[in-house]
Amino acid sequence: KAGVTQTPRYLIKTRGQQVTLSCSPISGHRSVSWYQQTPGQGLQFLFEYFSETQRNKGNFPGRFSGRQFSNSRSEMNVSTLELGDSALYLCASSFTSRAGQTNSPLHFGNGTRLTVT
Amino acid sequence: KNEVEQSPQNLTAQEGEFITINCSYSVGISALHWLQQHPGGGIVSLFMLSSGKKKHGRLIATINIQEKHSSLHITASHPRDSAVYICAVSSGSRLTFGEGTQLTVNP
Repeated sequence: KAGVTQTPRYLIKTRGQQVTLSCSPISGHRSVSWYQQTPGQGLQFLFEYFSETQRNKGNFPGRFSGRQFSNSRSEMNVSTLELGDSALYLCASSFTSRAGQTNSPLHFGNGTRLTVT
Repeated sequence: KNEVEQSPQNLTAQEGEFITINCSYSVGISALHWLQQHPGGGIVSLFMLSSGKKKHGRLIATINIQEKHSSLHITASHPRDSAVYICAVSSGSRLTFGEGTQLTVNP
């Protein structure tokens, strides 16, 4: 079974630009969640999608958005990039059988490393 | 105070030693996760538990719901165990992470 695939692996953008990151979950997984990891703040929860619906959102500004498609693939978008958005962005998928709960192990992708200059 | 506290932040051990990493949390949870992150960023889920104890190879994870505390034990540590170990708690579908424990196991 293929793992969680994130594309691209590396990205360099300029302040003010926008960026879209992609995450393909493990086949059969309906939950996809996104995380930001920085040296200063560690890992932080961005949002989680289940069957195309955003179920939960972390404390990030509205510049951070996401969506999930009918095949469970997910994208996240960051608009008007700031230097502080430089980070490793990770997504994870899980087989969540009960809506509203993360009661299955998480499977992480290798991440997209975003550098904003 | 962070909702998830890990200790120690850094840990250096000699090969073969028994290692314990602790995690305390202050919120209601549906599950607790232990994650391993190697240099380069890849994260692997080691355990997900909501009660009791789980064992996988040389790794053991325990959780005490009443005391809001979990421990990750590594028996007979090996240099390949060197990594960052992260405790995370889930409340619904939202995860909150500890700061991680950097473990270095010397041969």
